Amino acid sequence: AQSVTQLDSQVPVFEEAPVELRCNYSSSVSVYLFWYVQYPNQGLQLLLKYLSGSTLVKGINGFEAEFNKSQTSFHLRKPSVHISDTAEYFCAVSSLLTGGGNKLTFGTGTQLKVEL
Amino acid sequence: DGGITQSPKYLFRKEGQNVTLSCEQNLNHDAMYWYRQDPGQGLRLIYYSQIVNDFQKGDIAEGYSVSREKKESFPLTVTSAQKNPTAFYLCASSTKRGGLIHEQFFGPGTRLTVL
Repeated sequence: AQSVTQLDSQVPVFEEAPVELRCNYSSSVSVYLFWYVQYPNQGLQLLLKYLSGSTLVKGINGFEAEFNKSQTSFHLRKPSVHISDTAEYFCAVSSLLTGGGNKLTFGTGTQLKVEL
Repeated sequence: DGGITQSPKYLFRKEGQNVTLSCEQNLNHDAMYWYRQDPGQGLRLIYYSQIVNDFQKGDIAEGYSVSREKKESFPLTVTSAQKNPTAFYLCASSTKRGGLIHEQFFGPGTRLTVL
């Protein structure tokens, strides 16, 4: 079975400071990882994904994440946050479904609050 | 513009009533999914469908039902058997192209409140 742990439920940070949101996963098969962002009362938007290849993945809005197999981690980073980055961030691990499509298993989310 | 629409945005239901949430996509995706979101619990998979006229239970299917009569549509019915239906419901879709892992696209969600 696959699982995802997001250790921090809330992360406060000042504007223009760097931020790291932590994600650890457990998977017995090939690993496919995603980070999604959710603004209040909205759906989820994909930030970035790791399917294979380079372990450093760049996404939208200046975010990046590094896949670390030995530490089973996929932490999300941004060197300088903006007030508009205030949102909830979800890490997810994916597995293929028999018949096509894929199942996402989500972490419990991290609320990023950017303060002036 | 291609995307996923969900309606209504807010829904109120009395205890004992069934209610149906709509999900429509024009992305030509074969696979569609329903998730439930509760505060502090992330998203959990209710049902998924990989092809028209077929669907499978996810992790928390009890008290829910779905249908997939058209490729574009995947409605979710919350029945009176669901003990705690108040939640935010999200619909998603993805392609199955090449049998590979693909991004899931999400709709804007429906917030269901049981009175």
